[in-house]
Amino acid sequence: ELKVEQNPLFLSMQEGKNYTIYCNYSTTSDRLYWYRQDPGKSLESLFVLLSNGAVKQEGRLMASLDTKARLSTLHITAAVHDLSATYFCAVDNQGGSEKLVFGKGTKLTVNP
Amino acid sequence: DAGITQSPRYKITETGRQVTLMCHQTWSHSYMFWYRQDLGHGLRLIYYSAAADITDKGEVPDGYVVSRSKTENFPLTLESATRSQTSVYFCASTPDTYEQYFGPGTRLTVT
Repeated sequence: ELKVEQNPLFLSMQEGKNYTIYCNYSTTSDRLYWYRQDPGKSLESLFVLLSNGAVKQEGRLMASLDTKARLSTLHITAAVHDLSATYFCAVDNQGGSEKLVFGKGTKLTVNP
Repeated sequence: DAGITQSPRYKITETGRQVTLMCHQTWSHSYMFWYRQDLGHGLRLIYYSAAADITDKGEVPDGYVVSRSKTENFPLTLESATRSQTSVYFCASTPDTYEQYFGPGTRLTVT
């Protein structure tokens, strides 16, 4: 059974600082997704990582995937208040069903 | 409207009542999904569908029923609502091998 663990679950950081969110998963998969959710809103797709070594960047966020270590990271550079949100990673469960298993999410608060 | 929509957006119902949550997508995506989101649990898959007339259980299917007679619609029915089904429900869709696109969600309260 595929399990996905994110850490930390809560992250409070100051503007201008860097930090990394980790996403570990338990069984083989070569597709991983990162989503953002603002309070009371739906999930918005951030990154799609489809192969080992994949790296994607958008603004102050950079995501990477190491399928051998079963690990993805979401790195935040020089955080700003607008990045405050909950970030989820989701891993494809394989088997051709397109099912995803989500981590519990990391609630990020960026303080001025 | 293009995209994926859910209705109602908010619903309050009583224990034991039947409730149907609607999901409609305009992209003709093959796959559709229902999730519930609860504090401390993240998103959990209730049911999914690979195409019209093909559905299967997810992680937490008990107490829920789905159907998919048309590609664009994927209603979720709570046959006899319980307080434990108070949650935020998200519908999502995807074409093959791509990220899932989420609807705006339905906040359901069972009293």
